[in-house]
Amino acid sequence: GENVEQHPSTLSVQEGDSAVIKCTYSDSASNYFPWYKQELGKGPQLIIDIRSNVGEKKDQRIAVTLNKTAKHFSLHITETQPEDSAVYFCAASNIQGAQKLVFGQGTRLTINP
Amino acid sequence: KAGVTQTPRYLIKTRGQQVTLSCSPISGHRSVSWYQQTPGQGLQFLFEYFSETQRNKGNFPGRFSGRQFSNSRSEMNVSTLELGDSALYLCASRQGGLEELFFGSGTQLSVL
Repeated sequence: GENVEQHPSTLSVQEGDSAVIKCTYSDSASNYFPWYKQELGKGPQLIIDIRSNVGEKKDQRIAVTLNKTAKHFSLHITETQPEDSAVYFCAASNIQGAQKLVFGQGTRLTINP
Repeated sequence: KAGVTQTPRYLIKTRGQQVTLSCSPISGHRSVSWYQQTPGQGLQFLFEYFSETQRNKGNFPGRFSGRQFSNSRSEMNVSTLELGDSALYLCASRQGGLEELFFGSGTQLSVL
């Protein structure tokens, strides 16, 4: 089955700097790669996603890149703000039929003012 | 539009008991999935229901079961609770044909 590895497990950056979180996946059949942000006491919230037919996607300060050959994808957050502090999860799935997301272990991002 | 609603928010049970968790999806969403979140194992898929039918199931023992009603509301049941079942149980819904999952805030289950 699919296995998703996520690094680093914790990340601390200065406000205004960039943050990068990386994930690798094992199943070449996976074709959908979402990123979720989870704040304390809340469920995960989708912040950006990418399909395997796209190499990069950007939404304001957030971008995701995908390298299908190497089976890895990354989340880039620029101009970080205190409200970006949260736990971030990458995930992978095959969107054919029922959806079963396989999540990475999560990255606790702390933005220092 | 109301989000995904899970009840109760917190539960405390003892070993050997059973528990039922409830989830109301976003209006119009016919797919409901359940995930278990623990510090050690992270987020793990339990099962997905669509139009009252289970479409996919994760690698959990048969003590974990679920069902979906005609109004798309879903319940999951855990029988013969074990200490290791202590976790945050998250329900998520999505609109048919779209990938985005909308998660509820979860039910925090503690097994003593």
